[in-house]
Amino acid sequence: QKEVEQDPGPLSVPEGAIVSLNCTYSNSAFQYFMWYRQYSRKGPELLMYTYSSGNKEDGRFTAQVDKSSKYISLFIRDSQPSDSATYLCAMSAQSGYSTLTFGKGTMLLVSP
Amino acid sequence: KAGVTQTPRYLIKTRGQQVTLSCSPISGHRSVSWYQQTPGQGLQFLFEYFSETQRNKGNFPGRFSGRQFSNSRSEMNVSTLELGDSALYLCASSARQGARQETQYFGPGTRLLVL
Repeated sequence: QKEVEQDPGPLSVPEGAIVSLNCTYSNSAFQYFMWYRQYSRKGPELLMYTYSSGNKEDGRFTAQVDKSSKYISLFIRDSQPSDSATYLCAMSAQSGYSTLTFGKGTMLLVSP
Repeated sequence: KAGVTQTPRYLIKTRGQQVTLSCSPISGHRSVSWYQQTPGQGLQFLFEYFSETQRNKGNFPGRFSGRQFSNSRSEMNVSTLELGDSALYLCASSARQGARQETQYFGPGTRLLVL
């Protein structure tokens, strides 16, 4: 079993839809959880960062962590064509990015 | 402020050759990390350099090596290339060693194709 599982997609939605992206993990030591967005031919950029369980909201984006289920989610409200990208979840047991374990990414396509 | 730059952007090599990739971090950043991204394995940490010293290393064979110069620029070298080394190689910079995740910035990557 991979440490971090993420459905590769693609996930196709119409503009304005609410998008739900998810990752499951097996290592109960993970405490730091991140979501990155990666456009084609670009490097990943950090979208959301959360520590331990709970929700965090930033504009149209909401990150949710459920440590009891080892499940994290990223919700995008009012999705836009510019949200079309690959979304990577990442997590680590300690602070420090060199220890990050990434999911393989979910490709999201938002059609106008 | 200019972002992280990587050169070259695209590279084609044949099996057995070696390759050197370059990364220039954001001005003032002293930590440079390298990652390999493939469809099969996703994004995997290679190593981190800070003040010209390797501080952390991922689980990759010794064919993968790197170095950092006094101006914080970094190079990554892969010797005796294998087909499986075809990947997007990403560099990320940060101000401090092992800094918190939200302070790391990625470059656009070098796409390496091994034939």
